Amino acid sequence: SQQGEEDPQALSIQEGENATMNCSYKTSINNLQWYRQNSGRGLVHLILIRSNEREKHSGRLRVTLDTSKKSSSLLITASRAADTASYFCATDIGGNKLTFGTGTQLKVEL
Amino acid sequence: DGGITQSPKYLFRKEGQNVTLSCEQNLNHDAMYWYRQDPGQGLRLIYYSQIVNDFQKGDIAEGYSVSREKKESFPLTVTSAQKNPTAFYLCASRTSGSNQPQHFGDGTRLSIL
Repeated sequence: SQQGEEDPQALSIQEGENATMNCSYKTSINNLQWYRQNSGRGLVHLILIRSNEREKHSGRLRVTLDTSKKSSSLLITASRAADTASYFCATDIGGNKLTFGTGTQLKVEL
Repeated sequence: DGGITQSPKYLFRKEGQNVTLSCEQNLNHDAMYWYRQDPGQGLRLIYYSQIVNDFQKGDIAEGYSVSREKKESFPLTVTSAQKNPTAFYLCASRTSGSNQPQHFGDGTRLSIL
């Protein structure tokens, strides 16, 4: 079964707007990671947030983690057409392996 | 240029045939992983290896086999026992230590003839 579930499944916004994606998970984690996947390509790592961290930034990306609610959010500010992709959260619960969610498909329109 | 190379990009399998997907990395990573991705879905773990000559089953190992004879290479064989092999297959690697991300290849798309 999937450990992480992203919400929404699909999101369509205009260029320049902000995009927010959420991830919920079921068990305690060591860290949570966000990845991007362009159509037909492999995944690219975006941000890793540890279980003792609450917020992390990288360029236009902001990730929050609420371990009490077992949830995380990814915010992309000032979105661009090039941000169009699928975004996945993945949880590390130990054992050197990740469990991926089902993804959010983001479309940024000009 | 360091990275992970998967080949071929597209592969077709006939009924009853075994096929092998290649995954090579020059990142000097200890751990390597194989995932299966079906349309509109997330990734499911097939097999993973944390060190040379050792590997473990993931969540959907039935119908697949792997080997890890070299640190750089982790080939995946899709056997004839895998009745629904059509999918996008992704290989990843990771350095040792906690709180490390995985690095992915660009995938192999396998289809049935």
